[in-house]
Amino acid sequence: QVQLQESGPGLVKPSETLSLTCTVSGASIRSDYWSWIRQPPGKGLEWVGYVYHSGSTNYNPSLRGRVTMSVDMSKNQFSLKLSSVTAADTAVYYCARRNSNSWFDSWGQGTQVTVSS
Amino acid sequence: IVLTQSPVTLSLSPGERATLSCRASQSVGSYLGWYQQKPGQPPRLLIYDASNRATGIPARFSGSGSGTDFTLTISSLEPEDSAVYYCQQRATALTFGGGTKVEI
Repeated sequence: QVQLQESGPGLVKPSETLSLTCTVSGASIRSDYWSWIRQPPGKGLEWVGYVYHSGSTNYNPSLRGRVTMSVDMSKNQFSLKLSSVTAADTAVYYCARRNSNSWFDSWGQGTQVTVSS
Repeated sequence: IVLTQSPVTLSLSPGERATLSCRASQSVGSYLGWYQQKPGQPPRLLIYDASNRATGIPARFSGSGSGTDFTLTISSLEPEDSAVYYCQQRATALTFGGGTKVEI
């Protein structure tokens, strides 16, 4: 059974960089695509981007330029960095696996990130 | 691609049939999925490629449609089906609909 667990600071100051890590167990990071999806308080879901173990990435065009994703195969982890954050980036951030059928079939529990001074 | 879900809220009784709609601003072929999200939980994949049930999903959940119009049907509502349901397309980039809240 695939399990994902997000970790990182819950509070980030405006204009700084948000950094999160997702640790994967029960599956190899060398397979599938690994994604970040966020959900602002009381709102719907927004895809942030995904990364493949080769390092290839695909980001939401609305966030392009601020997003960087990477993979650490030695730790079976992948990470998200979002720069120049504002209050609009406050959300629950989920990591998820995009499976061989290209759908999000395994999700972490989510981590709340608040952008505030 | 913008996905518009309707209705925003659906209030029904146990045993009733629920019909949720998702309309795309342009064709997504069959590249449409449905997720269920309960409070404090991550979303769960229900349906992929418009009509295929994901692993472990009860048969009362079914999906249909293609192109721009899609439907998620819950044939006989159970109390545990209370949740918000999101559609998502993967034809061009990835986008989610705004959600339909099902109250039972």
